[in-house]
Amino acid sequence: AQSVTQPDIHITVSEGASLELRCNYSYGATPYLFWYVQSPGQGLQLLLKYFSGDTLVQGIKGFEAEFKRSQSSFNLRKPSVHWSDAAEYFCAVGGRASARQLTFGSGTQLTVLP
Amino acid sequence: DTGVSQNPRHKITKRGQNVTFRCDPISEHNRLYWYRQTLGQGPEFLTYFQNEAQLEKSRLLSDRFSAERPKGSFSTLEIQRTEQGDSAMYLCASSLQGPDTEAFFGQGTRLTVV
Repeated sequence: AQSVTQPDIHITVSEGASLELRCNYSYGATPYLFWYVQSPGQGLQLLLKYFSGDTLVQGIKGFEAEFKRSQSSFNLRKPSVHWSDAAEYFCAVGGRASARQLTFGSGTQLTVLP
Repeated sequence: DTGVSQNPRHKITKRGQNVTFRCDPISEHNRLYWYRQTLGQGPEFLTYFQNEAQLEKSRLLSDRFSAERPKGSFSTLEIQRTEQGDSAMYLCASSLQGPDTEAFFGQGTRLTVV
């Protein structure tokens, strides 16, 4: 069975500091990996995705993520956080054959201090 | 607006009543997905359609839940005899067919069963 673990329920960083959100997955085939962001009461916005190729992927809003197959990880990073980045972040895994039936982690809530 | 549209945004209903939600996908997308998100959790896959065919249903989709996409465009999700445990955000997403595509989410319908 596929699963996603986001070990950090809540992270607090100061504005301008760097950020890394952790994601570990379990998937029986080649994974397709995603990071989504959700603001309160809103739907999900895709930040970035990994299907194949270069293991360092760039996304919107200055985010990047690195796929490490040996560690079953897909951590999200940003070098300098902005107050508007405060939101909940979800990592998700799917597969080539599974359309976009995704398995999501339970999310990491990001608080940004001024 | 060419994004995924969901109506209503909020619904409060009494236990035992039936409710129906609507999702209008991005017009050229032939795949449509329903997810449920409870408080503090990531979204959980419920079902998906390719055109008008419902191709997969999660075990989460009890007999009280039914989804349709009669003409391969908009979709409805009906919950009969609502229970308090049905209170959640119901998210709809759509995508193009094909392996290397991404799902775009709507803003969701927040259901509260009282």
